[in-house]
Amino acid sequence: DTGVSQNPRHKITKRGQNVTFRCDPISEHNRLYWYRQTLGQGPEFLTYFQNEAQLEKSRLLSDRFSAERPKGSFSTLEIQRTEQGDSAMYLCASSWGQREGYTFGSGTRLTVV
Amino acid sequence: AQSVTQLDSHVSVSEGTPVLLRCNYSSSYSPSLFWYVQHPNKGLQLLLKYTSAATLVKGINGFEAEFKKSETSFHLTKPSAHMSDAAEYFCPIIQGAQKLVFGQGTRLTINP
Repeated sequence: DTGVSQNPRHKITKRGQNVTFRCDPISEHNRLYWYRQTLGQGPEFLTYFQNEAQLEKSRLLSDRFSAERPKGSFSTLEIQRTEQGDSAMYLCASSWGQREGYTFGSGTRLTVV
Repeated sequence: AQSVTQLDSHVSVSEGTPVLLRCNYSSSYSPSLFWYVQHPNKGLQLLLKYTSAATLVKGINGFEAEFKKSETSFHLTKPSAHMSDAAEYFCPIIQGAQKLVFGQGTRLTINP
């Protein structure tokens, strides 16, 4: 068990470019979550997968955002046509059962310039 | 919908003195509550969880929390603060049986 791994750790991109982040959950965890955290705020829920099925998406997840979890293993979060307001820490977490709590990765910090 | 309110945005204590971080919750049924710690530029680490078992929950690093239904509270305590405890603390709640919902967090500062 090596924990939840997120790549890259940091990403700087120009406004209008597309970016993709990857999350590798703990292998036996069937649930995977994406959160966004801006400076001084708590994490905000973006989306949730159980195995390969995306079961819930937040209204924060505009049509520029898309997440996938092929084969119920790793997940990717893509942001198209990035805007400065997308600058944030993107956190991934996984769990086996929701009452067990989540294991979070170290996050990907996105800066849009 | 379930939600949490962290009553203090910032708490400052001296090293070696007790820590109290306050969290109130709102839930129409028995909640699942957690405390997480986040050090600068890091992910969140689970300190402890309450899931309808014992009301006094012991966690890692000497932290514990007491669930009080009558006060709708789940406050985090530690008898003696250490410099390494300086971080941001969150007490999320499970909402809709699927996802954690976070409050604004409490920043803990430890003075030498």
